[in-house]
This record gives sequence, C-alpha cells and structure tokens, in this order.
Amino acid sequence: DAEITQSPRHKITETGRQVTLACHQTWNHNNMFWYRQDLGHGLRLIHYSYGVQDTNKGEVSDGYSVSRSNTEDLPLTLESAASSQTSVYFCASSESLEGTQYFGPGTRLLVL
Amino acid sequence: ELKVEQNPLFLSMQEGKNYTIYCNYSTTSDRLYWYRQDPGKSLESLFVLLSNGAVKQEGRLMASLDTKARLSTLHITAAVHDLSATYFCAVDLYGGATNKLIFGTGTLLAVQP
Repeated sequence: DAEITQSPRHKITETGRQVTLACHQTWNHNNMFWYRQDLGHGLRLIHYSYGVQDTNKGEVSDGYSVSRSNTEDLPLTLESAASSQTSVYFCASSESLEGTQYFGPGTRLLVL
Repeated sequence: ELKVEQNPLFLSMQEGKNYTIYCNYSTTSDRLYWYRQDPGKSLESLFVLLSNGAVKQEGRLMASLDTKARLSTLHITAAVHDLSATYFCAVDLYGGATNKLIFGTGTLLAVQP
C-alpha cells in the first residue's frame, strides 16, 4: 500500500548541530509539506514543494531548509538546531491543490 | 494575515449528547479541511469542503461551510467515547487552490461515559 513515512521517529540533538529529517511518500504526489506542531499553536507550515526542484517558504521557515530532487522525498534540514526548534514535525503530501493532505507519523525532535 | 480560530478549545461532553465545534477564519476562502488527531498520533483527514454551503457527513460527524460568514461547523451527534480526540480545521491560505493550509489551534474533545 502507498504510504508516507518519516525518519527518525525520535531525535535528540544538541544546540548548533545540523539535523535532517526524512520524509518519503510512495503515492507519487507532486505536493509535499512540512509542519511543526507545538502546544497552543496547532500546526504551522515550514516549507512546501509543488514538484521536483520546486521549494517554497511557509510561515515559519527561518532556520529550516528543504530540497526536492525527486518526487518521493522532501528532507527537512535544520541548519543549526536551536532549543526553540524542539517540536513535533509532520510531513504531508497531496495529489491535488484542492485535495486533502495525507500526514506522516511525525518526528519528535528535542534540542538540548 | 489569515487567522483561524476554533472554539471551544476544550470540550467535555457526555456520551449521547450533541455538540458543535466552530471554526472561524479571517479572510475569504472557499476551501476548508477538517482533521482528527488522536493523542501521540498523526492527523487523519475527516472532511474536505470546497464551496459555500458544502455539507459532508460521516457517521456521527457532520461538517458544513458558510464562506460568507467565514465559518465552518463540525457537529457531533450522539457522541461516543471513540470520538475523543483533537479536531483541527484548516483553511487554504490564499482562499484558492494552493493547498497551503493555515490550521486552527484545535479543539480537544473528551467524551465521558
């Protein structure tokens, strides 16, 4: 069955380190998204991509970057991790710009 | 700036009762999405509402969209414990089909036996 996966599921890192979170989907969806979820804020969009080689900033993109070299993957990189980036990160994909987004299982990141 | 507000933020209700969750948003949009999240889990899509007056129903849940009032409702009929979860509404940022979603802060629903 087609699915969307994230790895690692849990990560502990230190302030200043570079961290990359993986997102892989097998639906062949063109649209992919990264969100962070924090108490009191719901989900906030970090970056998104509408296709290969396309990346765009969301509402909370500072300190994060993404790249899209193929349809299946959209890795999220924290250039220099900060304690404020401790959060749960969700990746999502969608088939159309009107359609629902399908979410991955999430990655819990703790920055010490 | 688009703001999406849900109320109530927390809802404790008894099994068998009816209640409504409200989702208000601040700018024009005719695309609204409802999701469910169980504790420690991912988000599950419930409804996609793509036009004014849209109504969707699944089991004990019914969602509607009034784009003129900038309001969506999620109505729960005869609640059961299995409906306990956090419910999020999300609105397309630019009102059209960009799939850039702005989420509300969620409504935590606890259904008591």
